[in-house]
Amino acid sequence: QQKVQQSPESLIVPEGGMASLNCTSSDRNVDYFWWYRQHSGKSPKMLMSIFSNGEKEEGRFTVHLNKASLHTSLHIRDSQPSDSALYLCAASSNNAGAKLTFGGGTRLTVRP
Amino acid sequence: NSKVIQTPRYLVKGQGQKAKMRCIPEKGHPVVFWYQQNKNNEFKFLINFQNQEVLQQIDMTEKRFSAECPSNSPCSLEIQSSEAGDSALYLCASSQGERLFFGHGTKLSVL
Repeated sequence: QQKVQQSPESLIVPEGGMASLNCTSSDRNVDYFWWYRQHSGKSPKMLMSIFSNGEKEEGRFTVHLNKASLHTSLHIRDSQPSDSALYLCAASSNNAGAKLTFGGGTRLTVRP
Repeated sequence: NSKVIQTPRYLVKGQGQKAKMRCIPEKGHPVVFWYQQNKNNEFKFLINFQNQEVLQQIDMTEKRFSAECPSNSPCSLEIQSSEAGDSALYLCASSQGERLFFGHGTKLSVL
């Protein structure tokens, strides 16, 4: 079983709508969470990272983290068709050079 | 544009053949990772290096895969005897701190 679980597997939202993606780690040794976006045929690009409890906002993107439950969520407001991509959650410990463990991803489709 | 350079972009091999791919990490990044992304988009960590030394690797990597990151040369990942199940996108990433920067990947097809 994957140590990083993402839900839903796929999500369709209308243009201008809110997309909410979830991620939970079952490894209690993780300290950092990452959200990557991968467009079809492209390499993953980091969207946001969060290390502390609470919320972090950058433009249309907001991430939440609850370290007690090792749950993070990514919310995209005013979704655009260009946001259609595979969204990957990853978790790591805070050791230098620590590997990131990725979840299975959420495939987001934004319908015009 | 990615500053992590991976070659070749596509690689086609027969079963049992060697498959070798290369990665030039972003300048100044001491840590290099190799991941395998299968057709279901699942990521599998293979190995990582810090300044040419192996930090971690999985069993599969120890047995059929060989990898190195020599100084002043590209890093490389080689599959000694390719299997159909090795068909995947192999992603190299480098980091200076916690953030990973990925290359475009090498798509390996084992026929």
